[in-house]
Amino acid sequence: EDKVVQSPLSLVVHEGDTVTLNCSYEVTNFRSLLWYKQEKKAPTFLFMLTSSGIEKKSGRLSSILDKKELFSILNITATQTGDSAIYLCAVDLYGNKLVFGAGTILRVKS
Amino acid sequence: DSGVTQTPKHLITATGQRVTLRCSPRSGDLSVYWYQQSLDQGLQFLIQYYNGEERAKGNILERFSAQQFPDLHSELNLSSLELGDSALYFCASSVSGGGEKLFFGSGTQLSVL
Repeated sequence: EDKVVQSPLSLVVHEGDTVTLNCSYEVTNFRSLLWYKQEKKAPTFLFMLTSSGIEKKSGRLSSILDKKELFSILNITATQTGDSAIYLCAVDLYGNKLVFGAGTILRVKS
Repeated sequence: DSGVTQTPKHLITATGQRVTLRCSPRSGDLSVYWYQQSLDQGLQFLIQYYNGEERAKGNILERFSAQQFPDLHSELNLSSLELGDSALYFCASSVSGGGEKLFFGSGTQLSVL
């Protein structure tokens, strides 16, 4: 069975801290790995990773994929209260199936 | 705003009833996906349509069905509702339906009492 596991389940940090969110997967027919941020309702897209070792960066957020060890990390530097959300990792499979992890709940305290 | 529209935003109904959730994809997107999100299960893939045809099926119960119409909007029908069907139902869309990011609607919160 295809499986995506995220850790930690939840995290509380102070503004300015750096956080690392983890996503490991065991799937067949891997195509890509995606990160989404969910605040209140709709998940919004952050990154899509297809190749190992190439860092994707957007402002204070960055992510990298290791296809040999089957994991990805999402880093957030200089966290702000607006970063508080659920961060979802998903693996896109050939055959058009997107499998989500349970998410990491991040709370940033001021 | 993702451009994906879901209605209604909230739905409260009783066990045994049937409901229909509606989704309009982003302009130009041909593929529609339905997901169920509950507290204990996370985001579960239900079904995907591409240009009117079913393309992939996930953990969709037999009591649930979906379709995509010629104008590309989609409906998810849930029947013989049970308490455990209470969840947030998301629709998402993408251009071609494979290997690309999805754009999610704001969801329909279904409460079965």
